[in-house]
Amino acid sequence: KNQVEQSPQSLIILEGKNCTLQCNYTVSPFSNLRWYKQDTGRGPVSLTIMTFSENTKSNGRYTATLDADTKQSSLHITASQLSDSASYICVVSASQAGTALIFGKGTTLSVSS
Amino acid sequence: DVKVTQSSRYLVKRTGEKVFLECVQDMDHENMFWYRQDPGLGLRLIYFSYDVKMKEKGDIPEGYSVSREKKERFSLILESASTNQTSMYLCASSLKGAIEDTQYFGPGTRLTVL
Repeated sequence: KNQVEQSPQSLIILEGKNCTLQCNYTVSPFSNLRWYKQDTGRGPVSLTIMTFSENTKSNGRYTATLDADTKQSSLHITASQLSDSASYICVVSASQAGTALIFGKGTTLSVSS
Repeated sequence: DVKVTQSSRYLVKRTGEKVFLECVQDMDHENMFWYRQDPGLGLRLIYFSYDVKMKEKGDIPEGYSVSREKKERFSLILESASTNQTSMYLCASSLKGAIEDTQYFGPGTRLTVL
């Protein structure tokens, strides 16, 4: 069964600190993996996308990594800011018709001052 | 920038009412999607559409129908709303055939059924 598991479920960090969110997946065949950021009361917004051949992708203070062998991805946030408080969703696409997206349940990050 | 808009941010309806949720995208995307998002369950696909007048069931289509009469507009219909349909509804669109088939989401409609 295709699944995407994220950990931790929630996380609280101090402003300025770094943090890493995890995503493990069992999706086959694999096409690509995305990280979305969803602010409270808003729709998700894409942060990064990685295909099978890519193992790292950055977007400002966000760096995503992908290990296709172990089927794991991480999202590292550097020098966190209050505006980073959001839910981060890992989404894996299977190599099928474009709707085969498998969503993780998300990690809720709270950055406090 | 892609813009996906949804007709209402908040909606309160009564059990048994017919509910229409509207979604419009301005980037000429072929694909459009309706999801619902519930705490602890993540996003779940209700229906999607690859083209005008075409629709496909997602993972949880029961109790819902959709309409796509124009390329830019995708409507979700709750024929007879029930309390278990209280949820956040998210619309998304994507470009057909794109290698990076990123879905662009609207702001969501929080529906409460009393």
